[in-house]
Amino acid sequence: DIQMTQSPSSLSASVGDRVTITCRASQSISSYLNWYQQKPGKAPKLLIYAASSLQSGVPSRFSGSGSGTDFTLTISSLQPEDFATYYCQQSYSTLSYTFGQGTKLEIK
Amino acid sequence: EVQLVESGGGLVQPGGSLRLSCSASGFTFSSYAMHWVRQAPGKGLEYVSAISSNGGSTYYADSVKGRFTISRDNSKNTLYLQMSSLRAEDTAVYYCVKSIAVAGFLNFDYWGQGTLVTVSS
Repeated sequence: DIQMTQSPSSLSASVGDRVTITCRASQSISSYLNWYQQKPGKAPKLLIYAASSLQSGVPSRFSGSGSGTDFTLTISSLQPEDFATYYCQQSYSTLSYTFGQGTKLEIK
Repeated sequence: EVQLVESGGGLVQPGGSLRLSCSASGFTFSSYAMHWVRQAPGKGLEYVSAISSNGGSTYYADSVKGRFTISRDNSKNTLYLQMSSLRAEDTAVYYCVKSIAVAGFLNFDYWGQGTLVTVSS
């Protein structure tokens, strides 16, 4: 299986900050990369698919970039509701869609 | 409105069995691959199993291979996960997930609320 590694594992930031989370795949996955947000006690929510396409209804302060093995999720100006855990996921391998270990974004 | 409602979770002893169900509505169930994703308490997401739209192809994570069986009944709009030889490390919230391919790029667009499975004596 393709392994996904996120960094950092946790991050402290303030409202209004620009934040970047990275995700690295163990092999090239082209642009087959999704990002999800999960808040405590809730199911994950899709933010970005195909590395850089914004899911409908997701605020434009979220953006994704990258291809091959290295990807980033950027939040341009943190809002209070953005403090959550973020996961990347590869969708390159058919029926085997592994996740990164998660990045917990906390309030500084 | 798409809805995915899991059921069947609960407390089971090590070595026991449990069957999870996921009732789907609001979309053409038979047209989409479906998945199970789990999350142990305080841990990250683990991709567990998948089944193609017609049930002809399945996938299992190494951690559950040989113990779990995914299936679906397209006439009942229901996804299943039969779990046997359960271990303490199978304790988790199990999510039923629908996937969609947009321009050939697959993503998980709808998730159920999750059902908790606790394996303990």
